[in-house]
Parts: sequence; structure tokens; C-alpha cells
Amino acid sequence: NAGVTQTPKFRVLKTGQSMTLLCAQDMNHEYMYWYRQDPGMGLRLIHYSVGEGTTAKGEVPDGYNVSRLKKQNFLLGLESAAPSQTSVYFCASSYFPYEQYFGPGTRLTVT
Amino acid sequence: ILNVEQSPQSLHVQEGDSTNFTCSFPSSNFYALHWYRWETAKSPEALFVMTLNGDEKKKGRISATLNTKEGYSYLYIKGSQPEDSATYLCALGPGGTSYGKLTFGQGTILTVHP
Repeated sequence: NAGVTQTPKFRVLKTGQSMTLLCAQDMNHEYMYWYRQDPGMGLRLIHYSVGEGTTAKGEVPDGYNVSRLKKQNFLLGLESAAPSQTSVYFCASSYFPYEQYFGPGTRLTVT
Repeated sequence: ILNVEQSPQSLHVQEGDSTNFTCSFPSSNFYALHWYRWETAKSPEALFVMTLNGDEKKKGRISATLNTKEGYSYLYIKGSQPEDSATYLCALGPGGTSYGKLTFGQGTILTVHP
């Protein structure tokens, strides 16, 4: 099993550009999550999903959109990237309320 | 926004020392308390998930306790080894309509010196 995978691993964007981060899991988990990790801020939840076709806002959802069209995939979109979105993004999945399994992270720089 | 606090922020110990750190959280609206271990350049990995007051969990030299009435959890490492060096995160899972949303603490950075 690959577990949780994220694509891409690194990306540099210019302000105003758009991009989509892909998260895939092969553990048949219902719940999936997107976090961002910034120095001194810990892990903060952006959006999450409790099942295929559902999404919900987390702690810091502004500037991001998500979609869960298939159970195994959770996409995070940035429509118009801003330097404040420079961060490391982690995807995770779980059987609620059990432990979350994290992907390897995507390092995004917005210039 | 729930306030999950971890202390200390960082800790340096010698190989063989035993150590412990604290996670504090609001005791109302509690559902679950998670502990994760996060090594540099890797992803967080789950250590424990605890849901009941008085829960104690153990994995090798690492153990954790939970007090939901007073809102704290302790993580203990017995006989620390250099490979235990990592950031230890706790996260609160609330109940009610916010189920599924974990709020993470800032973490305790542990460095074990050989």
C-alpha cells in the first residue's frame, strides 16, 4: 500500500497564478484533510471531507477551495496564489475518530 | 478556535534520561486526544488516540495518560534514545458538530543527546 501520496512535492508559483494539489489514499478512509504548516504556527486545518462528495471548512479556509469527487482523492486548489500562501501543505486521511495518516507534504513558494 | 497548549516548547535531554511533556486543552466538548511524533523531513505519525478519562496507552518506551476532567494529557518517554528526537504533537478532537476537526498544539521539540 502506498498510504497517502501528494502531488507535487515542490512548486514555485508567481502571485496570481493558480494550481491544484492532489492527495490520494489507498486505505479506503472516509475522512480526508488538508493542513498547512508554518513556522511557529503548528499544523492548521484548511478544509476537510467526511466522505465522497462532501467538504467542510477548517480553521484557515480563505483563499483555498477543495473537491472530493472520488473517495480516494482530495484536491486542494489555489485560484489566485498570494505570498501568504507560501507554506508546507500536508494531506491526511483517517477512519474517524482514529489516528490520521499523513502524506509526505508539498512545499509551495509563492513569489 | 480551541486552545491546545503544549509545554515545554523544547527539551534537551541526555541519552538514557526519562522525560515527559504536557498537553493542555479545554475540558468541555472533548471527544478524543491524539499524540503524533514528527521527525524532521518526515510526516507526522500517530502514537496514540485516547478518548476516555483515565486512559493510559503504551507503545514500547512511550506512554501517555489522559485526564479529560481537568483537561490535560502527559506523554512519557522512558530511557530516551537519540532516535526519539522529534517534535511531539498533541491534537484535540472535539465532539458535537465539529467532529473530525483536529486542533493541534504547537508541539514539543525533543532533542536527545548521545
